Amino acid sequence: DAGVIQSPRHEVTEMGQEVTLRCKPISGHDYLFWYRQTMMRGLELLIYFNNNVPIDDSGMPEDRFSAKMPNASFSTLKIQPSEPRDSAVYFCASGSYQETQYFGPGTRLLVL
Amino acid sequence: LAKTTQPISMDSYEGQEVNITCSHNNIATNDYITWYQQFPSQGPRFIIQGYKTKVTNEVASLFIPADRKSSTLSLPRVSLSDTAVYYCLVVGANSGYALNFGKGTSLLVTP
Repeated sequence: DAGVIQSPRHEVTEMGQEVTLRCKPISGHDYLFWYRQTMMRGLELLIYFNNNVPIDDSGMPEDRFSAKMPNASFSTLKIQPSEPRDSAVYFCASGSYQETQYFGPGTRLLVL
Repeated sequence: LAKTTQPISMDSYEGQEVNITCSHNNIATNDYITWYQQFPSQGPRFIIQGYKTKVTNEVASLFIPADRKSSTLSLPRVSLSDTAVYYCLVVGANSGYALNFGKGTSLLVTP
């Protein structure tokens, strides 16, 4: 298995632009997670899905952030409009209930 | 989510044993203690999990006292490649599947 796949690996954009991050979970996993990592706040859970349904989005910072999972093999995290404080590494992870979570390589986002 | 407390950072020399202690005073009966490891520029990866007493695998050992209010991750004879951030988490029915990673313990191993 190729593991969790994220794209792009790096993204540089200007404030106000829309940013879309993509994730392909490991086949067979029914949970998908989006995390954000910064030096100040560490690794934070933004939202997670079970069987493509959002279960808990309490970690999503504000309405500028949205996440979708249209099918079992694809999810997106969108930021619109982006701001410099959104600069961070965004990780996607997948797993089965209460078992190990497998993380992707992350997307390093820089908003200028 | 059950709250955990662990040191922000630790330093060690190569070849030494490193013990990272984590406190989780409000751990529930059905909760497990889980540790993840994160190398620079990578996502975290699972290294070990336990419920009580001692668990050992090829990477580390995990010691959990009878009251389970704390746990200690032990890395024997660390090498430079063990430089990473180590996260202690409590996982279980009451904690849900959402993991609260926080900032972890940043371990620096030097020659």
